[in-house]
Amino acid sequence: EAQVTQNPRYLITVTGKKLTVTCSQNMNHEYMSWYRQDPGLGLRQIYYSMNVEVTDKGDVPEGYKVSRKEKRNFPLILESPSPNQTSLYFCASSLAGDGNQPQHFGDGTRLSIL
Amino acid sequence: QKEVEQNSGPLSVPEGAIASLNCTYSDRGSQSFFWYRQYSGKSPELIMFIYSNGDKEDGRFTAQLNKASQYVSLLIRDSQPSDSATYLCAVNGWSSASKIIFGSGTRLSIRP
Repeated sequence: EAQVTQNPRYLITVTGKKLTVTCSQNMNHEYMSWYRQDPGLGLRQIYYSMNVEVTDKGDVPEGYKVSRKEKRNFPLILESPSPNQTSLYFCASSLAGDGNQPQHFGDGTRLSIL
Repeated sequence: QKEVEQNSGPLSVPEGAIASLNCTYSDRGSQSFFWYRQYSGKSPELIMFIYSNGDKEDGRFTAQLNKASQYVSLLIRDSQPSDSATYLCAVNGWSSASKIIFGSGTRLSIRP
């Protein structure tokens, strides 16, 4: 089954404790992206990757890091999480590296930073 | 000015009627346009995508794109209660080099 898998689905943690949210897709997609969703603000792109070793900032990259060492994986790293990063996070992928194809979304990760 | 704007709603439409959702964007060079539906607590799912000016129809859904006026709309015919959700407009801008911008979404409610 074609899917985007995020882990964990839920996480409560404390300020400053490094965490990683994993994202994996099995569709051989070139484009992968991370979003955060906050009430009233819609989906805001954090980082995106057009292919292996090619990443770029979205609208809200501060406080986040990403890497794309393999085509299927695109982890999101919070080196020193803060309460303002409490949000619902989605990973997505699409076929073409230019982002002009529809995206498939993971089920989301709800992060709470205390 | 926001790069992608949508009326937040809620938009209330009687069952069986046509629901019309609108989205405007600021990047004149934008190339691809998407409509996603998101139920509460769930991830977005693709409804329609459109690249060229004009209409694109898929079942009860029609996407309309007018690049000169910089708007894209979604029409839902014969609205059903199951269409009640938040609809997100997304744009891939030319000047933003593969960055994808979402609107804040329009909440649609279909009343029986």
